[in-house]
Formats: sequence, structure tokens, C-alpha cells
Amino acid sequence: SQKIEQNSEALNIQEGKTATLTCNYTNYSPAYLQWYRQDPGRGPVFLLLIRENEKEKRKERLKVTFDTTLKQSLFHITASQPADSATYLCAPSSMDSNYQLIWGAGTKLIIKP
Amino acid sequence: EAGVTQFPSHSVIEKGQTVTLRCDPISGHDNLYWYRRVMGKEIKFLLHFVKESKQDESGMPNNRFLAERTGGTYSTLKVQPAELEDSGVYFCASSQGAIGGETQYFGPGTRLLVL
Repeated sequence: SQKIEQNSEALNIQEGKTATLTCNYTNYSPAYLQWYRQDPGRGPVFLLLIRENEKEKRKERLKVTFDTTLKQSLFHITASQPADSATYLCAPSSMDSNYQLIWGAGTKLIIKP
Repeated sequence: EAGVTQFPSHSVIEKGQTVTLRCDPISGHDNLYWYRRVMGKEIKFLLHFVKESKQDESGMPNNRFLAERTGGTYSTLKVQPAELEDSGVYFCASSQGAIGGETQYFGPGTRLLVL
């Protein structure tokens, strides 16, 4: 069955450094991959979307890469700030899942001042 | 512009009781989704409406769950009778399009606890 894996352990990063989060998928060939941010007690908030024919997408301090050979997406936050602390979720979708989002469990990112 | 709203924010009920969750999507969004996150697990898709029609209900766990979207505006998700394993956070989301590449806007969720 389709499986989406994100680092289950929290990622601790020093303020100002680049945070890199990983999303691996198996038994799946997504056409799109979305990244969301979730804060405690709130719903996920969309950040970036990357398509299967795109290698990289950027938005301000955020960058997403998509490697269909490695079956992996990386999410980078440069010049990280304590306000970036949250749980980050990856959610690919494809025709196989009727384009419904299949979610990873998320990685908790903690930016230390 | 108002975002997606959900009611109630929390609900505690006993096993066997009925609970109805409500979602008001962003005005003009034809697509409405229901998701559930059980503690410690990933978010799971439940159902997708396009206007008032159920486009995809492949994620609905069983026939104790009934979703409606009369008139294509707000939606309700009823659980009857509730079981212990139904506990979790129920999220609603809406979008304008729905081809996988559309941004989904989420509500804050309803936290359901079945005792």
C-alpha cells in the first residue's frame, strides 16, 4: 500500500541555520506534492506545491525539491526563526488516489534562539 | 474573507451516542473535504464533496458515518452510534478546484472524545 514517511523525531535547529525536512514515499507515484504547516490546536496551512515535472520550487525562505527517482521530497527553510517552529506535513496526491491527499505523520521542527 | 469554520471545537460524548459536526467552507468553494486524525497517526482522508454531490467517499470508515452537504454550502458529518475508536480530530477543508494541485484551506478542527 502507499506509504508516506517523515522523520518522526523532532528536529532541533539553531536560529539562523537552514532546516531540512524529508518526505519519502513508497508504492506511489505522485503527480503533485504539497507541504503544509500545522501549529498546535490549528488546522494545516498550505505552504508550497510542487509538480512531478518540477525539480524545485521556492517561496521566500522556503524551498521544496522533488526527486521522483529517489521518491523523495525535501523541504528547506533558510535563515530559520523561532516563529518557524511547528509541525510540517507532506501530502502527495496522484490519480491513483483520485487526487486525494495522502498525508505523512509530520515532523516537528523546533528552532532554538 | 472568512476562513473555514468548524463547530463545535470540542465534543465529549459517551459510546453509543450521536454527534454531528459542522463545517462552513470558504464562500464560493465548491470542493469540501473531511479528514480525521487519530492521536499519534497521520491525517486520513474521509470524503470529498463537489457542491452537494459526494465525489469520493472512499475514506469513510463504515456506515456509522454519514456526511451531507445540502445546497452545496455547509456540510455536516454525523457519527451514530459513536465508538471509542472514533475519537480524534476531525478537520474540514475547502478548495476552489480539485485536481490534486489545488490549495486546500483547513478549518481548526473538531476534537472528538468518545468515552
